[in-house]
Amino acid sequence: DAKTTQPPSMDCAEGRAANLPCNHSTISGNEYVYWYRQIHSQGPQYIIHGLKNNETNEMASLIITEDRKSSTLILPHATLRDTAVYYCIVRVGNTGNQFYFGTGTSLTVIP
Amino acid sequence: ETGVTQTPRHLVMGMTNKKSLKCEQHLGHNAMYWYKQSAKKPLELMFVYNFKEQTENNSVPSRFSPECPNSSHLFLHLHTLQPEDSALYLCASSQVTSRGNSPLHFGNGTRLTVT
Repeated sequence: DAKTTQPPSMDCAEGRAANLPCNHSTISGNEYVYWYRQIHSQGPQYIIHGLKNNETNEMASLIITEDRKSSTLILPHATLRDTAVYYCIVRVGNTGNQFYFGTGTSLTVIP
Repeated sequence: ETGVTQTPRHLVMGMTNKKSLKCEQHLGHNAMYWYKQSAKKPLELMFVYNFKEQTENNSVPSRFSPECPNSSHLFLHLHTLQPEDSALYLCASSQVTSRGNSPLHFGNGTRLTVT
């Protein structure tokens, strides 16, 4: 079972920041938060991951709350090509191999 | 180019056919995965292979049979499928070390239609 909760859909104006929330209230101390996105008819694409510190890369920023029970993915300047389903995942299992995807957030970037 | 190549991209098969899906990763990873994505449903983890050994089988029916001959190749053999098995089948790979697991890298999937 997925251990995360995300809103089913969001809209964002092109050029504005898109802030996608995720709740993971049962996260364990050694579990990372991963974000992926999936554009229609393609495989999911890795975006970013983190443990407890905020992370930034060329695609996005990840803000994790101090209690680690929630996080926010930030796309600083959304473009039309960012329209996709965004998945927040907590890696579970002793081997770390069990990546369970929930239903994600369908983000629509509006011109 | 994701580094994970799946073939074929599209497959239509009858319920009595036998077919195989192929996945090849060019990333030097040591773990490979099969996921199933049905319409309007989350991705379902089917099988996991670590160092060519199957470590996870999430209650997948026996009509799906995985094979991992080496760390770069993964197959999913299909036989006597049902129409509800129609879905996007995704392959992924990652690098597992003593310090943890790298992110998954996915292929673009095989769109399977069972008639």
